[in-house]
Amino acid sequence: NAGVTQTPKFQVLKTGQSMTLQCAQDMNHEYMSWYRQDPGMGLRLIHYSVGAGITDQGEVPNGYNVSRSTTEDFPLRLLSAAPSQTSVYFCASSYEGEQPQHFGDGTRLSIL
Amino acid sequence: GIQVEQSPPDLILQEGANSTLRCNFSDSVNNLQWFHQNPWGQLINLFYIPSGTKQNGRLSATTVATERYSLLYISSSQTTDSGVYFCAPCPSGTYKYIFGTGTRLKVLA
Repeated sequence: NAGVTQTPKFQVLKTGQSMTLQCAQDMNHEYMSWYRQDPGMGLRLIHYSVGAGITDQGEVPNGYNVSRSTTEDFPLRLLSAAPSQTSVYFCASSYEGEQPQHFGDGTRLSIL
Repeated sequence: GIQVEQSPPDLILQEGANSTLRCNFSDSVNNLQWFHQNPWGQLINLFYIPSGTKQNGRLSATTVATERYSLLYISSSQTTDSGVYFCAPCPSGTYKYIFGTGTRLKVLA
């Protein structure tokens, strides 16, 4: 039981490049979410999903896309990377939206 | 949207001391969670506590949803308690957990 797995752990991009951050969980959790954490700050919700095929926007969705084709996976896509998207990205999951969340170890993303 | 305020922003304790961290929120909520972010950046769920009181070892939490606040108590603090503590309430009718800016705790040996 690996929990919530995020890949890659580190990534450097150039402005304008696109990429996908991967998040997978093996706990059969319905609820998954993506957050970003900027230095010295709390986490801000980007997108979330309450089940396969269902996604919704969080606090800061601009510049990011998500999809949920399976229960296990919830990838986050950066369409055209900007320096303002330099951050640590966390994925979380829970059995339902009203259950304790489990976090991955994060992806540290730098955009030059 | 909901406003989440945590206090104090920073706290330094001597090992063995007790502390209370507070989380105020501006709207009605149906869920609230407390997390600890350790010095390596990992986020650990401490409590899922929409209302009432829960205890887990030296830690306990109380949420009074009608008065829009939650408290996290740390007793007999240890150096391993160091890190940042976040509360994350979920406004009623949504599935959006909104994090506060955290309380940074440092426990000295």
